[in-house]
Amino acid sequence: GAVVSQHPSWVICKSGTSVKIECRSLDFQATTMFWYRQFPKQSLMLMATSNEGSKATYEQGVEKDKFLINHASLTLSTLTVTSAHPEDSSFYICSGLDRANLNEQFFGPGTRLTVL
Amino acid sequence: GNSVTQMEGPVTLSEEAFLTINCTYTATGYPSLFWYVQYPGEGLQLLLKATKADDKGSNKGFEATYRKETTSFHLEKGSVQVSDSAVYFCALSGTGANSKLTFGKGITLSVRP
Repeated sequence: GAVVSQHPSWVICKSGTSVKIECRSLDFQATTMFWYRQFPKQSLMLMATSNEGSKATYEQGVEKDKFLINHASLTLSTLTVTSAHPEDSSFYICSGLDRANLNEQFFGPGTRLTVL
Repeated sequence: GNSVTQMEGPVTLSEEAFLTINCTYTATGYPSLFWYVQYPGEGLQLLLKATKADDKGSNKGFEATYRKETTSFHLEKGSVQVSDSAVYFCALSGTGANSKLTFGKGITLSVRP
Protein backbone atom coordinates (compact mmCIF):
# COMPACT_ATOMS: atom_id res chain seq x y z
CA GLY A 1 0.00 0.00 0.00
CA ALA A 2 0.87 3.65 -0.20
CA VAL A 3 3.11 5.24 2.43
CA VAL A 4 2.51 8.31 4.56
CA SER A 5 5.18 9.71 6.82
CA GLN A 6 4.95 12.13 9.73
CA HIS A 7 7.62 14.28 11.27
CA PRO A 8 8.50 14.51 14.04
CA SER A 9 7.43 11.23 15.58
CA TRP A 10 7.45 12.82 19.01
CA VAL A 11 7.97 16.33 20.36
CA ILE A 12 8.11 17.96 23.77
CA CYS A 13 7.58 21.69 24.05
CA LYS A 14 6.93 24.38 26.64
CA SER A 15 3.55 26.01 27.17
CA GLY A 16 2.99 28.97 24.90
CA THR A 17 5.20 27.77 22.07
CA SER A 18 4.04 26.60 18.64
CA VAL A 19 4.73 23.20 17.15
CA LYS A 20 4.54 22.18 13.50
CA ILE A 21 3.84 18.61 12.43
CA GLU A 22 4.42 17.51 8.83
CA CYS A 23 2.50 14.84 6.96
CA ARG A 24 3.85 13.60 3.63
CA SER A 25 2.48 11.15 1.10
CA LEU A 26 5.63 9.47 -0.21
CA ASP A 27 4.42 7.58 -3.26
CA PHE A 28 1.06 9.02 -4.19
CA GLN A 29 -0.60 12.37 -4.59
CA ALA A 30 -3.01 13.21 -1.82
CA THR A 31 -5.36 15.98 -2.84
CA THR A 32 -7.14 15.38 0.46
CA MET A 33 -5.52 14.73 3.81
CA PHE A 34 -7.13 14.26 7.20
CA TRP A 35 -5.88 15.16 10.65
CA TYR A 36 -6.95 13.11 13.66
CA ARG A 37 -6.33 13.35 17.36
CA GLN A 38 -6.21 10.33 19.63
CA PHE A 39 -6.37 10.36 23.40
CA PRO A 40 -5.13 7.37 25.42
CA LYS A 41 -7.47 4.38 25.17
CA GLN A 42 -9.88 6.39 23.04
CA SER A 43 -10.87 6.57 19.45
CA LEU A 44 -9.37 8.66 16.69
CA MET A 45 -11.28 11.92 16.44
CA LEU A 46 -11.28 13.73 13.12
CA MET A 47 -10.05 17.30 13.55
CA ALA A 48 -10.08 18.62 10.02
CA THR A 49 -10.08 17.80 6.34
CA SER A 50 -7.34 19.41 4.32
CA ASN A 51 -7.65 19.93 0.58
CA GLU A 52 -4.68 20.94 -1.52
CA GLY A 53 -4.77 24.59 -2.42
CA SER A 54 -7.78 25.51 -0.32
CA LYS A 55 -8.71 26.16 3.26
CA ALA A 56 -9.14 23.25 5.61
CA THR A 57 -12.57 22.22 6.84
CA TYR A 58 -12.65 21.86 10.61
CA GLU A 59 -14.91 19.60 12.62
CA GLN A 60 -17.24 21.11 15.16
CA GLY A 61 -15.44 22.09 18.35
CA VAL A 62 -11.98 22.29 16.79
CA GLU A 63 -10.43 25.75 17.01
CA LYS A 64 -9.12 26.67 13.57
CA ASP A 65 -6.99 29.51 14.94
CA LYS A 66 -5.28 27.13 17.31
CA PHE A 67 -4.75 24.24 14.92
CA LEU A 68 -3.49 25.78 11.69
CA ILE A 69 -3.50 23.48 8.70
CA ASN A 70 -1.70 24.12 5.44
CA HIS A 71 -1.85 21.87 2.40
CA ALA A 72 0.35 23.66 -0.09
CA SER A 73 1.28 20.72 -2.27
CA LEU A 74 -0.12 17.38 -3.35
CA THR A 75 2.26 15.53 -1.04
CA LEU A 76 2.53 17.71 2.05
CA SER A 77 0.15 18.93 4.72
CA THR A 78 1.21 20.59 7.96
CA LEU A 79 -0.55 21.01 11.28
CA THR A 80 0.67 23.80 13.54
CA VAL A 81 -0.44 23.80 17.16
CA THR A 82 -0.20 27.45 18.17
CA SER A 83 0.39 28.62 21.73
CA ALA A 84 0.35 25.05 22.94
CA HIS A 85 -0.94 24.18 26.41
CA PRO A 86 -0.76 20.93 28.39
CA GLU A 87 -4.31 20.02 27.36
CA ASP A 88 -3.08 19.91 23.75
CA SER A 89 -0.84 16.97 24.63
CA SER A 90 -2.04 14.11 22.51
CA PHE A 91 -1.26 11.74 19.65
CA TYR A 92 -1.84 13.38 16.26
CA ILE A 93 -2.33 11.21 13.20
CA CYS A 94 -2.69 12.20 9.58
CA SER A 95 -3.92 10.27 6.58
CA GLY A 96 -3.86 10.82 2.85
CA LEU A 97 -6.71 9.93 0.54
CA ASP A 98 -5.51 8.04 -2.53
CA ARG A 99 -8.12 8.61 -5.20
CA ALA A 100 -6.25 6.34 -7.57
CA ASN A 101 -6.66 3.53 -5.04
CA LEU A 102 -10.43 3.50 -4.61
CA ASN A 103 -10.35 6.41 -2.16
CA GLU A 104 -8.52 4.41 0.47
CA GLN A 105 -7.01 6.40 3.32
CA PHE A 106 -3.37 5.69 4.16
CA PHE A 107 -2.27 6.65 7.63
CA GLY A 108 0.92 8.10 8.99
CA PRO A 109 2.54 6.60 12.12
CA GLY A 110 1.46 9.51 14.29
CA THR A 111 3.17 12.25 16.31
CA ARG A 112 3.22 12.25 20.09
CA LEU A 113 3.02 15.84 21.41
CA THR A 114 3.75 16.58 25.04
CA VAL A 115 3.33 20.14 26.28
CA LEU A 116 4.99 20.92 29.59
CA GLY B 1 -24.75 11.05 13.57
CA ASN B 2 -22.58 8.07 12.77
CA SER B 3 -21.02 6.05 15.58
CA VAL B 4 -19.10 2.81 16.07
CA THR B 5 -19.07 0.74 19.24
CA GLN B 6 -16.40 -1.85 19.92
CA MET B 7 -16.23 -4.35 22.74
CA GLU B 8 -14.11 -3.38 25.71
CA GLY B 9 -10.55 -4.61 25.88
CA PRO B 10 -7.82 -5.56 26.19
CA VAL B 11 -8.01 -9.12 24.92
CA THR B 12 -5.34 -11.70 25.70
CA LEU B 13 -5.32 -15.05 23.93
CA SER B 14 -3.03 -18.01 23.54
CA GLU B 15 -1.59 -18.77 20.13
CA GLU B 16 -3.97 -20.73 17.88
CA ALA B 17 -7.04 -19.60 19.84
CA PHE B 18 -10.18 -18.39 18.10
CA LEU B 19 -10.70 -14.64 17.99
CA THR B 20 -13.89 -12.60 17.87
CA ILE B 21 -13.92 -8.83 18.27
CA ASN B 22 -17.39 -7.32 18.29
CA CYS B 23 -18.29 -4.15 16.44
CA THR B 24 -21.69 -2.53 16.00
CA TYR B 25 -22.52 0.71 14.27
CA THR B 26 -25.14 3.43 13.93
CA ALA B 27 -25.39 5.23 10.63
CA THR B 28 -27.81 6.65 8.13
CA GLY B 29 -27.97 5.11 4.69
CA TYR B 30 -25.56 2.39 3.65
CA PRO B 31 -22.07 3.02 5.00
CA SER B 32 -18.92 1.15 4.12
CA LEU B 33 -17.36 -0.76 7.02
CA PHE B 34 -13.70 -1.27 7.80
CA TRP B 35 -11.30 -2.95 10.16
CA TYR B 36 -7.94 -1.25 10.65
CA VAL B 37 -4.94 -2.67 12.50
CA GLN B 38 -2.16 -0.73 14.18
CA TYR B 39 1.02 -2.61 14.96
CA PRO B 40 3.35 -1.15 17.61
CA GLY B 41 5.13 1.94 16.32
CA GLU B 42 3.32 1.94 12.98
CA GLY B 43 0.41 3.75 11.37
CA LEU B 44 -3.06 2.30 10.93
CA GLN B 45 -3.35 -0.18 8.07
CA LEU B 46 -6.51 -1.30 6.37
CA LEU B 47 -7.12 -4.94 7.30
CA LEU B 48 -10.37 -5.55 5.44
CA LYS B 49 -13.53 -3.84 4.33
CA ALA B 50 -17.08 -4.43 3.12
CA THR B 51 -19.13 -1.97 1.14
CA LYS B 52 -22.62 -3.47 1.18
CA ALA B 53 -24.87 -5.73 3.20
CA ASP B 54 -23.87 -9.41 3.39
CA ASP B 55 -20.43 -8.68 1.93
CA LYS B 56 -17.61 -10.54 3.64
CA GLY B 57 -14.23 -8.87 3.89
CA SER B 58 -11.21 -11.10 4.42
CA ASN B 59 -7.46 -10.74 4.68
CA LYS B 60 -4.60 -12.57 6.45
CA GLY B 61 -7.03 -15.13 7.88
CA PHE B 62 -9.31 -12.46 9.35
CA GLU B 63 -12.94 -12.20 8.26
CA ALA B 64 -15.87 -9.88 8.93
CA THR B 65 -19.38 -9.91 7.46
CA TYR B 66 -21.49 -6.78 6.96
CA ARG B 67 -24.73 -7.56 8.80
CA LYS B 68 -27.28 -4.84 8.19
CA GLU B 69 -30.04 -6.51 10.20
CA THR B 70 -27.90 -6.46 13.34
CA THR B 71 -25.79 -3.41 12.32
CA SER B 72 -22.68 -5.40 13.08
CA PHE B 73 -19.27 -6.11 11.55
CA HIS B 74 -17.60 -8.53 13.93
CA LEU B 75 -13.97 -9.50 13.27
CA GLU B 76 -13.01 -13.18 13.47
CA LYS B 77 -9.94 -15.32 13.01
CA GLY B 78 -9.83 -19.06 13.49
CA SER B 79 -6.28 -19.33 14.82
CA VAL B 80 -4.39 -16.29 16.04
CA GLN B 81 -0.63 -15.91 15.99
CA VAL B 82 1.75 -13.92 18.16
CA SER B 83 2.29 -11.60 15.20
CA ASP B 84 -1.40 -10.63 15.32
CA SER B 85 -0.78 -8.70 18.54
CA ALA B 86 -1.86 -5.15 17.74
CA VAL B 87 -4.65 -2.61 18.22
CA TYR B 88 -7.74 -3.20 16.08
CA PHE B 89 -10.14 -0.41 15.08
CA CYS B 90 -13.57 -0.81 13.56
CA ALA B 91 -14.66 2.12 11.39
CA LEU B 92 -17.30 3.27 8.95
CA SER B 93 -17.47 5.85 6.23
CA GLY B 94 -20.38 7.64 4.72
CA THR B 95 -21.71 7.13 1.25
CA GLY B 96 -21.08 9.16 -1.85
CA ALA B 97 -18.33 11.76 -1.81
CA ASN B 98 -18.14 11.76 2.00
CA SER B 99 -15.00 9.81 2.79
CA LYS B 100 -14.79 10.73 6.46
CA LEU B 101 -14.08 7.81 8.72
CA THR B 102 -15.74 7.32 12.09
CA PHE B 103 -13.72 5.06 14.37
CA GLY B 104 -14.48 2.87 17.33
CA LYS B 105 -12.26 3.12 20.41
CA GLY B 106 -9.98 0.32 19.34
CA ILE B 107 -9.10 -2.83 21.20
CA THR B 108 -5.68 -4.17 22.08
CA LEU B 109 -5.06 -7.82 21.28
CA SER B 110 -2.15 -9.64 22.89
CA VAL B 111 -1.35 -13.18 21.79
CA ARG B 112 0.81 -15.34 24.05
CA PRO B 113 3.11 -18.03 22.61
